[in-house]
Amino acid sequence: DIVMTQSPDSLAVSLGERATINCKSSQSVLHSSPTKDSLAWYQQKPGQPPKLLIYWTSTRESGVPDRFSGSGSGTDFTLTISSLQAEDVAVYYCQQYYTPPWTFGQGTKLEIK
Amino acid sequence: EVQLVESGGGLVQPGGSLRLSCVASGLTFSSYWMHWVRQAPGKGMVWVSRIDPDGSTTYADFVKGRFTISRDNAKNTLFLQMNSLRAEDTAVYYCVLSSGFPAYWGQGTLVTVSS
Repeated sequence: DIVMTQSPDSLAVSLGERATINCKSSQSVLHSSPTKDSLAWYQQKPGQPPKLLIYWTSTRESGVPDRFSGSGSGTDFTLTISSLQAEDVAVYYCQQYYTPPWTFGQGTKLEIK
Repeated sequence: EVQLVESGGGLVQPGGSLRLSCVASGLTFSSYWMHWVRQAPGKGMVWVSRIDPDGSTTYADFVKGRFTISRDNAKNTLFLQMNSLRAEDTAVYYCVLSSGFPAYWGQGTLVTVSS
């Protein structure tokens, strides 16, 4: 199975500042068609299902604010929130969907400093 | 608008069975890969099973022989038959539709395995 490792486990950032979450896969998740990395990012708030933010590493889901961006390639990926808002407090997960079993990072808890 | 609505969760004793359902609307259900993903209370997400449009199935090792995924395309419905349930199967179960990527998630249904 592909192991997904996020860092840090928790993060406190001031309002308006940048938040960066990293995700590393234990092997390549490069899909053949399209030729893109099969990497997604989710936001989850208490009592709610995960909300898809980013897929194919950097494609923002419809309706997701443009302060959220994804980047990376190979085995190293990053979710960046350019200017933290109060409503961004949540747990964030990365996921590889390259091959079953889908696997997820352990989650990063984002809080306001 | 695409919607996935799960049902069938509840409280069951260890060794018991439950059948989860997920009804899809707003798209041609039969064309898509469907998955079940679960999340134990306070924990992260874990993939459970997949069914392809042609009915081929794949399972996580920890549910093989106990859970069965199936679909009824005429009713736009995904199922998860869960037998020999254990305390560690306690979780919210989400159905997920994949269109090359995990595009849509349901709201989840809670399964609690306890005596």
